[in-house]
Amino acid sequence: EDQVTQSPEALRLQEGESSSLNCSYTVSGLRGLFWYRQDPGKGPEFLFTLYSAGEEKEKERLKATLTKKESFLHITAPKPEDSATYLCAVQENSNSGYALNFGKGTSLLVTP
Amino acid sequence: DAGITQSPRHKVTETGTPVTLRCHQTENHRYMYWYRQDPGHGLRLIHYSYGVKDTDKGEVSDGYSVSRSKTEDFLLTLESATSSQTSVYFCAISGRVMNTEAFFGQGTRLTVV
Repeated sequence: EDQVTQSPEALRLQEGESSSLNCSYTVSGLRGLFWYRQDPGKGPEFLFTLYSAGEEKEKERLKATLTKKESFLHITAPKPEDSATYLCAVQENSNSGYALNFGKGTSLLVTP
Repeated sequence: DAGITQSPRHKVTETGTPVTLRCHQTENHRYMYWYRQDPGHGLRLIHYSYGVKDTDKGEVSDGYSVSRSKTEDFLLTLESATSSQTSVYFCAISGRVMNTEAFFGQGTRLTVV
């Protein structure tokens, strides 16, 4: 059973069309939830860390929120350069030296 | 790229041969990780290190070994490469106490034929 589930698997938006990506998780003790962006042929690029329910973080057109069971990555008025795969990962208390458990990602395509 | 260099970036090898991938960091971070990324599976942890000569297994460690003789270098060895080990391998580092996000290298694409 996957601990981290991302939906949708793929999302196509028109430029300016806002939407949200979902990350649901099932871990006993959450230390942190992380969002990454990954472009083709590159390593994941860190975006946000959320540590507790109710926390929100923003960066340009992206806003990440966290509840006790899921996180959302809201994309406001996206541009074509926001096209990428967005990865969600969780970090549990006292496991694997802060290793991350990743979801399978959401592939976002923003068309002009 | 947070001072992480992976080498080689691409490699093609034959089944049954040993292969070593190298990760070098200039950030002096304590923790280093090796992940593999495959379609339909996402990123999965192979091994990690929490200090020089201190390593432990991750989710998919069978067929892999690691070594860390210096803070800055973390080596991943495929003892006898198999086609199922064809993948993209990423090294990551983390180390700050309050902010434990990981930073990733650019990856090594390994093909086992």
